Amino acid sequence: DIQMTQSPSSLSASVGDRVTITCRAGQTISSRLNWYQQKPGKAPNLLIYAASSLQSGVPSRFSGSGSGTDFTLTINSLQPEDFAIYYCQQSYIAPQTFGQGTKVEIK
Amino acid sequence: HVQLVQSGAEVKKPGASVKVSCKASGYTFTDYDINWVRQATGQGLEWVGWVTPNSGNTGYAQKLQGRVTFTRNTSISTVYMELSSLRSDDTAVYYCARAGAYSGYAEDYWGQGTLVTVSP
Repeated sequence: DIQMTQSPSSLSASVGDRVTITCRAGQTISSRLNWYQQKPGKAPNLLIYAASSLQSGVPSRFSGSGSGTDFTLTINSLQPEDFAIYYCQQSYIAPQTFGQGTKVEIK
Repeated sequence: HVQLVQSGAEVKKPGASVKVSCKASGYTFTDYDINWVRQATGQGLEWVGWVTPNSGNTGYAQKLQGRVTFTRNTSISTVYMELSSLRSDDTAVYYCARAGAYSGYAEDYWGQGTLVTVSP
């Protein structure tokens, strides 16, 4: 299985901040990297697919980059509704595997 | 609009089986895979497997192989997940989610989740 490692595990930020979360794959996954946001008691919500493609309906302050093994999710101008847990996931090869999650908290 | 609606919460005893349904609407059912993902309370996301409704082909996480089975009924756009020989560590919310080639098989629509509790 391909191990996915996110950093940091948690971070504190203020409204308006720029936030960056990184995800490293244990082997190359081309651009088959996806990002999800999850709020308490809710299903995950797809933000970014194929490393940098913004899912329909997702605000443009979210962006993704990277290829191979190293990827980044950036949130520009953090909004109150962005406080949540973020997961990366590789869909390059089965079994799909997720990172351990990054909790974004209010400073 | 696209919707995945799952069956309700279940409480089962160790060793029993559970069957969770996932009914799709708002799109052509056979055009997308359905993936299953589970999440224990306070924990991360764990991929369970996938089913291709068109062909019935399936793939399962190795740790659940032999205990989990996906089936589908295309006439009612529904996929089922059956998990047998339940253990306490199977207690989790189980999600179904749609995945398609356009998104590189990322899960773009999710069901509301089904809590499966395994308790004596």
